[in-house]
Amino acid sequence: EADIYQTPRYLVIGTGKKITLECSQTMGHDKMYWYQQDPGMELHLIHYSYGVNSTEKGDLSSESTVSRIRTEHFPLTLESARPSHTSQYLCASSTDRALVSGANVLTFGAGSRLTVL
Amino acid sequence: DQQVKQNSPSLSVQEGRISILNCDYTNSMFDYFLWYKKYPAEGPTFLISISSIKDKNEDGRFTVFLNKSAKHLSLHIVPSQPGDSAVYFCAASVYFNKFYFGSGTKLNVKP
Repeated sequence: EADIYQTPRYLVIGTGKKITLECSQTMGHDKMYWYQQDPGMELHLIHYSYGVNSTEKGDLSSESTVSRIRTEHFPLTLESARPSHTSQYLCASSTDRALVSGANVLTFGAGSRLTVL
Repeated sequence: DQQVKQNSPSLSVQEGRISILNCDYTNSMFDYFLWYKKYPAEGPTFLISISSIKDKNEDGRFTVFLNKSAKHLSLHIVPSQPGDSAVYFCAASVYFNKFYFGSGTKLNVKP
């Protein structure tokens, strides 16, 4: 029962193309995140947002940009894709409320696997 | 500097035995910890979490232990099943602001 949706799941494109990875959540979460992960590596935070019109760069430098015009929508854009952008991109959203210890406060989408040729 | 570390890249366990996955952190301000399971080309799936006010949380076959003095977190899976084979990530946050992840441990449960 996915509450956070990412499209496309897989994308293969040529160098220099502009791409947008879509992310939408239906949980009403204020906070949303983009992580980048290469096989066998940790998840690196590249962008985050604490609400509408709020965006910040994460700990890993990225040439991508994000926007947050609506609470539920947090798209990521690459203006000119390069082979070094090949990776898996994971969108997530979180709540401030953990009513009990053990709650899931960070929910991920299924991911977008990008390959740039 | 990596604030959350998983020093074992892989672990192999026999079906029915206990799997113990470990995680260390450096930031004493972390107050919430989570474990995720991930398959290739999929998003991480939440397993279990724990607040820093507790030292243990249990959910079915999964138990998470937190040792704040040692800045150490562990996930116990008992009994282990072949379907548990995946990459496991631990994560930590300060008041749910930004979540920091370890590099993962690949668990292989042999039938």
